[in-house]
Amino acid sequence: DQQVKQNSPSLSVQEGRISILNCDYTNSMFDYFLWYKKYPAEGPTFLISISSIKDKNEDGRFTVFLNKSAKHLSLHIVPSQPGDSAVYFCAARITGNQFYFGTGTSLTVIP
Amino acid sequence: KAGVTQTPRYLIKTRGQQVTLSCSPISGHRSVSWYQQTPGQGLQFLFEYFSETQRNKGNFPGRFSGRQFSNSRSEMNVSTLELGDSALYLCASSPGAGFTYEQYFGPGTRLTVT
Repeated sequence: DQQVKQNSPSLSVQEGRISILNCDYTNSMFDYFLWYKKYPAEGPTFLISISSIKDKNEDGRFTVFLNKSAKHLSLHIVPSQPGDSAVYFCAARITGNQFYFGTGTSLTVIP
Repeated sequence: KAGVTQTPRYLIKTRGQQVTLSCSPISGHRSVSWYQQTPGQGLQFLFEYFSETQRNKGNFPGRFSGRQFSNSRSEMNVSTLELGDSALYLCASSPGAGFTYEQYFGPGTRLTVT
């Protein structure tokens, strides 16, 4: 039972444009959401997070939006750079329980 | 500060064998979690250890087990390997337990079962 879903396996964007990665979840008990970035042959690295009491969190070029009514999470990267090409995982947490990860979206930024 | 290290990085085993994977967390981190990553399934949570105790467990069969030592290093064991166990096994460390903090991942161990 996939509680966190990333329905787009891949995304291609031109350098300098906006990349929007989407994530849907089913469990209303999730209280914390995160995005991880993964390069080949490396483990995922933490990118940005958002608490369920907020609807937006910004960190430089990265912004995460949370729509609790729609159970939808998105990551915006502006402007996109070739170094952003990686697999992006969204994850959701129930405190004291575990992290649930999506299946990942492979982002390619075209120079 | 050194990151999370996992050994070995690559492993080939045959069906029916058992395997042990090792994970050394970031210095000072006491929580270690293990995940299985397969194409199309994302990261699936196996278990979490904190202070040598298993705190949380995912939905995997009993063939998957783990332990944590007093220095916070952790091992994961898979007995009676099946072809479907072929995957990237990731471990992640965190300063505290209960997934209160972000997790820091190692590079993973790529297990191939033939």
